[in-house]
Amino acid sequence: DIQMTQSPSSVSASVGDRVTITCRASQGVGSWLVWYQQKPGKAPNLLIYAASNLQRGVPSRFSGSGSGTDFTLTISSLQPEDSATYYCQQANSFTFGPGTKVDIK
Amino acid sequence: EVQLVQSGAEVKKPGESLKISCKGSGYSFTSYWIGWVRQMPGKGLEWMGIIYTDDSDARLSPFFQGQVTISVDKSINTAYLQWSSLKTSDTAMYYCARQGITTAGGLDYWGQGTLVTVSS
Repeated sequence: DIQMTQSPSSVSASVGDRVTITCRASQGVGSWLVWYQQKPGKAPNLLIYAASNLQRGVPSRFSGSGSGTDFTLTISSLQPEDSATYYCQQANSFTFGPGTKVDIK
Repeated sequence: EVQLVQSGAEVKKPGESLKISCKGSGYSFTSYWIGWVRQMPGKGLEWMGIIYTDDSDARLSPFFQGQVTISVDKSINTAYLQWSSLKTSDTAMYYCARQGITTAGGLDYWGQGTLVTVSS
């Protein structure tokens, strides 16, 4: 089974900061990696698919990169509405990472 | 407008059975897979399984095999998640989600969630 890990588990940053979240797969998954944002009390929202493709309607400050086992989600300029938990998911096995909580300082 | 509308919150006792639903609209229902995701209180997302709505080809995560059943009635554009004997540990929010065709496996539309509470 493919295991997914994320780091950090939480991050606190200021508005305008660049935030980077890392996701690692226990074995190579090519580009089959997806990122979601979940706000409290809401369903998750698809941000990035195929590791680096921005889903329609998602602000361009979000970007994804990586392939194989190591992936990153970057928020180029953190906004107050980006306070949420972010999950990666391996898109073949559907395994989710444990999540990274992003707070605004 | 694509929508997945889930059935309402449920309160059940251990040992009872339950079937929750997820109705799709605004798109060609039988062209997509529907997945189910569990979120226990204060915890992360857990993949439960997925079903192809046209032919009911269902694939459950090994962790959930034998614990739940997923099914679909394509005549009414509705997918289901069911338990035959609930446990208190089944208390969670359950989401259905559509697997997009152009999103390389990503789940592009989600239901609002169904909260299931199991308590004696």
